[in-house]
Amino acid sequence: EADIYQTPRYLVIGTGKKITLECSQTMGHDKMYWYQQDPGMELHLIHYSYGVNSTEKGDLSSESTVSRIRTEHFPLTLESARPSHTSQYLCASSALGRQETQYFGPGTRLLVL
Amino acid sequence: QKEVEQDPGPLSVPEGAIVSLNCTYSNSAFQYFMWYRQYSRKGPELLMYTYSSGNKEDGRFTAQVDKSSKYISLFIRDSQPSDSATYLCAMSVAGGTSYGKLTFGQGTILTVHP
Repeated sequence: EADIYQTPRYLVIGTGKKITLECSQTMGHDKMYWYQQDPGMELHLIHYSYGVNSTEKGDLSSESTVSRIRTEHFPLTLESARPSHTSQYLCASSALGRQETQYFGPGTRLLVL
Repeated sequence: QKEVEQDPGPLSVPEGAIVSLNCTYSNSAFQYFMWYRQYSRKGPELLMYTYSSGNKEDGRFTAQVDKSSKYISLFIRDSQPSDSATYLCAMSVAGGTSYGKLTFGQGTILTVHP
């Protein structure tokens, strides 16, 4: 069973606030990902990381930033939240060499007022 | 045009029915084909993955890949109410810098009623 955790699960916040979405995994996976998913729409990759100190932008442009200081931790930050950031954010991880097999966390539903 | 197309449904079937879920794609470089199940307010859960063409069976689930037609399917036999969820297809190339960057379909909402 995949052990990947996201907090908070739900967040309602006002415009202009700085927020950090947490993601942690206990599987020792090197590669981690952030996806954005709107209702009824496909998942879009916004960030990924090959390992510590590695971060790359995904296919969907995002104003968020990520960091990877520890293997198990991959937080996503929005410096100034806007209503257009309202979405579900999903974190995933995979082992190097098995990158097609990704395990997802439960997601964070973000609502920016 | 999207790289991966999936009929969003919704699909409603009676318990015990055989369900067929499908995706088409345009990128001939895709070699890994995955099916995820996503329950309401949860993250996607990997059901099955297939490398290249062929069939793969796991219990009541069968995944098929037809690379010549760029078409993949997931069959669910003896469907149960607990199978009610959104089913997402996803694909990836096998190597290079794009390996592991999954391209998802829109998801098909399935309801199995008792």
